[in-house]
This record gives sequence, structure tokens and C-alpha cells, in this order.
Amino acid sequence: AAGVIQSPRHLIKEKRETATLKCYPIPRHDTVYWYQQGPGQDPQFLISFYEKMQSDKGSIPDRFSAQQFSDYHSELNMSSLELGDSALYFCASSLGASLEVHNEQFFGPGTRLTVL
Amino acid sequence: GESVGLHLPTLSVQEGDNSIINCAYSNSASDYFIWYKQESGKGPQFIIDIRSNMDKRQGQRVTVLLNKTVKHLSLQIAATQPGDSAVYFCAETGGGNKLTFGTGTQLKVEL
Repeated sequence: AAGVIQSPRHLIKEKRETATLKCYPIPRHDTVYWYQQGPGQDPQFLISFYEKMQSDKGSIPDRFSAQQFSDYHSELNMSSLELGDSALYFCASSLGASLEVHNEQFFGPGTRLTVL
Repeated sequence: GESVGLHLPTLSVQEGDNSIINCAYSNSASDYFIWYKQESGKGPQFIIDIRSNMDKRQGQRVTVLLNKTVKHLSLQIAATQPGDSAVYFCAETGGGNKLTFGTGTQLKVEL
């Protein structure tokens, strides 16, 4: 079965550079979520999109932005990178997003970002 | 605030024994809870979920127990196998679908 695809899998950047992470959800999934996981820490929710509109926002720095495109893939743009941005970035996708229905989130393999 | 370089709690069990992993949650408004398994270098993998109107749910070799009174969640793994070695996270969600993860537990299965 098709899973969530993330690219690149590994990324090395210098401080103050920019990075773009891409996420391709499972076919027919219309909701994507971004999570950040620091070393030895639990994943932290950043932002989510449903039908190309932002649906929820967590602890995402102002230096980061994201969007969901018409084909439902999503990109996380990170600018003015800092050493503390080094982490695993996971994308998850699900069908629908509503207050009444909780649909399983399927996680991608993650992008490991290293900021030097 | 965050802790950098946090050591995960570790549970070591013998192969074939039962494992119990515990989790405390803080949001009394959460109505949906999930256990995830995360292997090294991989994304979290869904194991089992439970809604707040239930107190127990069973899957294949796994059982989740929910105690809303004390805001406690547990995952029981029967006949633990080497392939069960991983970090286990509980997660909760209330309104909306963003997941709030708890501190992971490293499960080590000894042969």
C-alpha cells in the first residue's frame, strides 16, 4: 500500500540558510500534519492543513511557513535556520479533519534536518 | 519548558513476558487516545486507539486501558517479542486532530 512520502530524507544546511521539506500524502488523503521531533524528545505538532486551508497551528516558529497545494502535497519552508532547528520533521496524512471524527494519522519516514 | 537530550524511560523485559507501558495525560478535554510505536529512524506507527467513552480495547497481542479519573493510559503487550523493541508514545487529541504526544518509553526485549 502507498504510504506518506517525504523528501528529502536527509538535509544538511548552514545557519541562516533556508530549507524546504516536501510531503506527499497517501492518495485520497486530504489532510496533512507536520511534526518536529528533537533528539530524544516526543514529536511536537507544528501545523496542519485540510483541503488546502490551514486547519490548526501549534508551536511553529514565525520563521517557518507551510502550505498545501491543489494535489494535496504540502511543503514546509524554513528560513533563517538555527542550530536548534536540527530535528526529525515528520509529515502525517489522514482522511478528513473534523471535531467529531478522529481519523488515523499515517506518518511518513521523516526528514532529518541538520543545521551546522 | 523543553529538556534537551532527555533520556527516555526504559523498560526491559524478557522475551515472552508481558510488557506494560504507562502514560499520564494532562488534558481532561481529550477524547481520543492513540499508542504509537517508533523504531529508530522511522516515523511513528499506529498500534491501537481508544475513545474516551471506553476504558479498555484489545487488539492483536495489545490492550489499551484508559482511566479517565486519574488521566492515565496504559499499553499492555502480551508475549513480548524482539520485534517489539522500539520507543512507544501515547498521544491524545481533543477538539481537532492535532496530536499531543507524551514522553516516550524505550522498550528493550532481552533474549
